[in-house]
Order: sequence, then structure tokens, then C-alpha cells
Amino acid sequence: NAGVTQTPKFRILKIGQSMTLQCTQDMNHNYMYWYRQDPGMGLKLIYYSVGAGITDKGEVPNGYNVSRSTTEDFPLRLELAAPSQTSVYFCASSTWDRAEQYFGPGTRLTVT
Amino acid sequence: AQSVSQHNHHVILSEAASLELGCNYSYGGTVNLFWYVQYPGQHLQLLLKYFSGDPLVKGIKGFEAEFIKSKFSFNLRKPSVQWSDTAEYFCAVNAHSNYQLIWGAGTKLIIKP
Repeated sequence: NAGVTQTPKFRILKIGQSMTLQCTQDMNHNYMYWYRQDPGMGLKLIYYSVGAGITDKGEVPNGYNVSRSTTEDFPLRLELAAPSQTSVYFCASSTWDRAEQYFGPGTRLTVT
Repeated sequence: AQSVSQHNHHVILSEAASLELGCNYSYGGTVNLFWYVQYPGQHLQLLLKYFSGDPLVKGIKGFEAEFIKSKFSFNLRKPSVQWSDTAEYFCAVNAHSNYQLIWGAGTKLIIKP
């Protein structure tokens, strides 16, 4: 199986544009997460989901939205891109909230 | 607020040197502790974890970590590093009071051949 896949790998956005970062897992995990990683900082949780139809905010949710219509997919939406959203975004999944998390390869986003 | 500190942002060692990367957290209750590693060009992956029991935990590739509850520490060790250990290492802590993993800032380890 492929594990956790993310698209795109890289993207440059202009201020005010919108985009969706895609995340798919094929391990039938209930829990899914979106993190952002800024240089010299640890990962910060943006949103998480404990199952299809259930999402909740993490530590840094402002400027983002998510949905979870299926177990496999957990897209992250940026509505009005701002330079502060320049970061590397990681999607992850796990069987439960304290289990090992499996990560995707990341999306490097630049907003100019 | 809970936090995780990794003392060194960059570490450079020669092959065969011993390694110890520090990790301290600020939470007084029960925790689960993790070390993750990101090799160049690869995904973040689990190196080892502590949930309960023996505080000395062994992970993949010869790594181990010791949970010292009185010091709120979970330091990562390897007796003899190899060039292939060049990577970024992250400590993460999950407090039993909530679902979130709190991450350290990471330590970039470079091994000189």
C-alpha cells in the first residue's frame, strides 16, 4: 500500500489566492491530522479528524478549513492565502490518538 | 501550556562517535513519548516510543531512549553513529489529558564520514 500521499509537492501562490492541499491514506486509519512546519520550529497541529464527518481545530487553525467526507481523504483548504502561510504542510494518520502517526511527504507552499 | 524542548538545533559528529540528543517536556501528568526521524528526502517516521513499563526503550537502527520522569526528560542515544544517521530528529509528547502531540523544534544531525 502507498501509506499517506499528498499533492502537490510544491506550490507557489499569490496573496489572496485559494488552494486545496490533498491528503489520502490507504491504511483505513480513523485519525488524520494536518500540521505545518516553519523553519526552526516543531510541527504545529492545524486541524485533525477522528473519523469521517468529524473534524476539529488544532493549535493554529486560522486561515484554514478541512473536510472529511471519507475515511481515506482529508483535504486542507486555504481560502485567502497570506505570506504567513508560507510553510511546509504535512498530513498524517493513525489508528487512534496516541498511536504512531504515519506521515505523507509534505507540501512546500510559498505565498508571495 | 505544554511544551517540548530540544536542546540542540544542530549537531555535527564524526562517524563512530556517541550520540545523545536531549528532550525535555513540561507536563506533570502521564505522558506518551516519541522520537521521530526524517532522513533527507524521506517521510517523517517513528524511531521509538515510550508508553509505559521499562523506561529504557529500544528503537530501530540501534537507537535507544531513556525516560526519566523526575527530570521530565526523554533523551535519545546511540553508542556509535554512522554516516547514514544524518537526519533531522524530532521529540514529541502526548499528554493523556488531550489528543495532541506536542513537538520539539527538531535537531539536525550531520555525521561526517
